[in-house]
Amino acid sequence: GQSLEQPSEVTAVEGAIVQINCTYQTSGFYGLSWYQQHDGGAPTFLSYNALDGLEETGRFSSFLSRSDSYGYLLLQELQMKDSASYFCAAVNQGGKLIFGQGTELSVKP
Amino acid sequence: NAGVMQNPRHLVRRRGQEARLRCSPVKGHSHVYWYRQLPEEGLKFMVYLQKENIIDESGMPKERFSAEFPKEGPSILRIQQVVRGDSAAYFCASSGRRGHSGETQYFGPGTRLLVL
Repeated sequence: GQSLEQPSEVTAVEGAIVQINCTYQTSGFYGLSWYQQHDGGAPTFLSYNALDGLEETGRFSSFLSRSDSYGYLLLQELQMKDSASYFCAAVNQGGKLIFGQGTELSVKP
Repeated sequence: NAGVMQNPRHLVRRRGQEARLRCSPVKGHSHVYWYRQLPEEGLKFMVYLQKENIIDESGMPKERFSAEFPKEGPSILRIQQVVRGDSAAYFCASSGRRGHSGETQYFGPGTRLLVL
């Protein structure tokens, strides 16, 4: 089957750095995306890795290792507004997204 | 420049009724994806459509569920004879090209379906 594993919850303090890991097992894999969701609202796109290595976008970075079927999302200089659910999603043939179960990030003062 | 629009935002149906969910993609986008999300879970792919064509419906239940994306008008996800287990948030996403090209999928606000 196709599955993505990520921690169910992570807690960190304001200003800290947090890494959310994702391992995947899918067929027809094209790349790994990350989405943020606040309170069950519309998921918003954060990043996409098609190739191995690190992609940086402001305070957020994402990494992919195809040989290890592994990726992570790195959030720096955490802010209270970063408290949300974070989903890794494998981009599959045809473009459909296969989502992980999500990581609930709580940022404490 | 409107994003993905979905309506209704909330829908209440009794068991056995029909639910009709609408999705208007970002202007100019011709690829539409539907996902379902149960509480405390990730989104599950249901169906991928291009204008007038169903490309991949591998995630959609074979019975009671159907989807269309006509040449004119919004994409429709239709659930006939709803059951309590259909209660979920249904999200629509659109992209300008096939997602595996790296094109971002833009999500709508979702329709929360509650079956009584």
